[in-house]
Amino acid sequence: SAVISQKPSRDICQRGTSLTIQCQVDSQVTMMFWYRQQPGQSLTLIATANQGSEATYESGFVIDKFPISRPNLTFSTLTVSNMSPEDSSIYLCSADGQGTHEQYFGPGTRLTVT
Amino acid sequence: GENVEQHPSTLSVQEGDSAVIKCTYSDSASNYFPWYKQELGKRPQLIIDIRSNVGEKKDQRIAVTLNKTAKHFSLHITETQPEDSAVYFCAASGGSETSGSRLTFGEGTQLTVNP
Repeated sequence: SAVISQKPSRDICQRGTSLTIQCQVDSQVTMMFWYRQQPGQSLTLIATANQGSEATYESGFVIDKFPISRPNLTFSTLTVSNMSPEDSSIYLCSADGQGTHEQYFGPGTRLTVT
Repeated sequence: GENVEQHPSTLSVQEGDSAVIKCTYSDSASNYFPWYKQELGKRPQLIIDIRSNVGEKKDQRIAVTLNKTAKHFSLHITETQPEDSAVYFCAASGGSETSGSRLTFGEGTQLTVNP
């Protein structure tokens, strides 16, 4: 299984600012994904980070709000832009190695917007 | 798109008893069904999965069954222990060429194992 790290682990940000979350995988992976998990709730897919092309966003999520980069097969970033308190959540990245469908998650980034 | 429903939302059992969590899915083309365990403050951990060409899979005290006709799958934990207490999520993926590995999660089941 892939080993996945995220930075930062947590942050407290003011409304109107932006935060970029980094996700690093210890091996090359085909697919990387970004999820949001609000306290006590399930995981909601934000987008699929595609290497060499634009990310694919799920319904309700847009590129202007959540720009994503995937410069290579081991790294991705998610930016939460123009933040509001409603963006307070845990953001998780995951990776699917070699098309197996098995997904492994990073430790998450706990974001609080004040 | 895919819709996954999970029941029950909470489950309390005595140590040593069995626990069963059930999920249904809507997309008959889905072909991969993982289960994740998430302890408080931790990342979701893949504990077992099943693919649509298999009806049952077992790993020590954990087993998963799949009924493709009825579009439901279940997680069975036997001889439960207090360390099994966590939130369990089912998921489904692979419903179409465009969906690829995208996972759709159920709402989760809070399992509590009482000593």
